[in-house]
Amino acid sequence: SQQGEEDPQALSIQEGENATMNCSYKTSINNLQWYRQNSGRGLVHLILIRSNEREKHSGRLRVTLDTSKKSSSLLITASRAADTASYFCAAAGNEKLTFGTGTRLTIIP
Amino acid sequence: EPEVTQTPSHQVTQMGQEVILRCVPISNHLYFYWYRQILGQKVEFLVSFYNNEISEKSEIFDDQFSVERPDGSNFTLKIRSTKLEDSAMYFCASNKDSSNQPQHFGDGTRLSIL
Repeated sequence: SQQGEEDPQALSIQEGENATMNCSYKTSINNLQWYRQNSGRGLVHLILIRSNEREKHSGRLRVTLDTSKKSSSLLITASRAADTASYFCAAAGNEKLTFGTGTRLTIIP
Repeated sequence: EPEVTQTPSHQVTQMGQEVILRCVPISNHLYFYWYRQILGQKVEFLVSFYNNEISEKSEIFDDQFSVERPDGSNFTLKIRSTKLEDSAMYFCASNKDSSNQPQHFGDGTRLSIL
């Protein structure tokens, strides 16, 4: 897959269900970050997982990292209508972030 | 909570003109970045800036582009002789430390080249 590719590209689920998004990357990383973007707005940082970590939690978010497979997943539990947005993973090298193509998440009330 | 602010929110410019996009990073941050997002595409890194100089830049950031921190608060991106393909959202970001720290993004400037 290409550098920083999310899977699926689009996901629609019912409110209350869990949403899982996957990301792959190519280069070595210091950390892997997930961001949310509401339409026409900036990127909001959600969670950062370091290269020596395998799993991290923050509220309803759970992120995993598998450096051997160069992949990460983001799980949003008990989804809400306000979670509707695009979600991007970003592979962090020394300074720059390399973003994936994003998953467009729609929560159906 | 401190925010990164960008002005203007929307800039319309004739092709060939110069444009300056402005950003005020979070005050105690030391690393500054510009990214762009062409409509419907992924966010792309342009340049990073630390200690008053460019620390890394992408292939996109050619001689048409320049960055400056003219005073203690502003961080600007100048695009000379704009082209139609420069139309995009431009995001500024900053963080305290380049390693293992999240980058904080502004809401972006939508640049439309006519």
